Amino acid sequence: DAGVIQSPRHEVTEMGQEVTLRCKPISGHDYLFWYRQTMMRGLELLIYFNNNVPIDDSGMPEDRFSAKMPNASFSTLKIQPSEPRDSAVYFCASSSVDKNQPQHFGDGTRLSIL
Amino acid sequence: SQQGEEDPQALSIQEGENATMNCSYKTSINNLQWYRQNSGRGLVHLILIRSNEREKHSGRLRVTLDTSKKSSSLLITASRAADTASYFCATGRGGSNYKLTFGKGTLLTVNP
Repeated sequence: DAGVIQSPRHEVTEMGQEVTLRCKPISGHDYLFWYRQTMMRGLELLIYFNNNVPIDDSGMPEDRFSAKMPNASFSTLKIQPSEPRDSAVYFCASSSVDKNQPQHFGDGTRLSIL
Repeated sequence: SQQGEEDPQALSIQEGENATMNCSYKTSINNLQWYRQNSGRGLVHLILIRSNEREKHSGRLRVTLDTSKKSSSLLITASRAADTASYFCATGRGGSNYKLTFGKGTLLTVNP
């Protein structure tokens, strides 16, 4: 099993640009999660999907953030326009439907907005 | 304090010693999970303990759960330099096991 795959691993862009982060969950997992990690705030849940449907997006910080899951094997997190305070490591995770199963994390995208 | 708050924030020990990290939480839970994060990598699940369990072992890891005190501890025995990482506990919010809340973590350094 390849695990959760995220791309790109690093992204550096200028303020105002659109940023798209990508995630491929583990095959067969029904849940997909997007997290953001910063030194100040730690690891925060932004949004999660069940069977490709967004269930809770209450963690999405602003309307500049949007996430989609067009099919079971792909999700995107988009920031438009980006701002320096969006700089963080963004993680995608997936899990099976059994609520006593762990979440499996990708290695993250380190995003720097200049 | 946040749900799933670890202490200490940082712990430095010598190889071979035991390391204990604690986690406190506020609301009722169905389970509590511990994760490890190596520098520059994603979180890796270590162990899950259900609310009706008091202790669980996995290799050199031992986790305890005290629901009356709303606290958990992670013990790593016979530590190795490779155990150097940040350790996080996570709990579901509002009874949901999918909306995990993570603490700020404990940074463990094991010196050779």
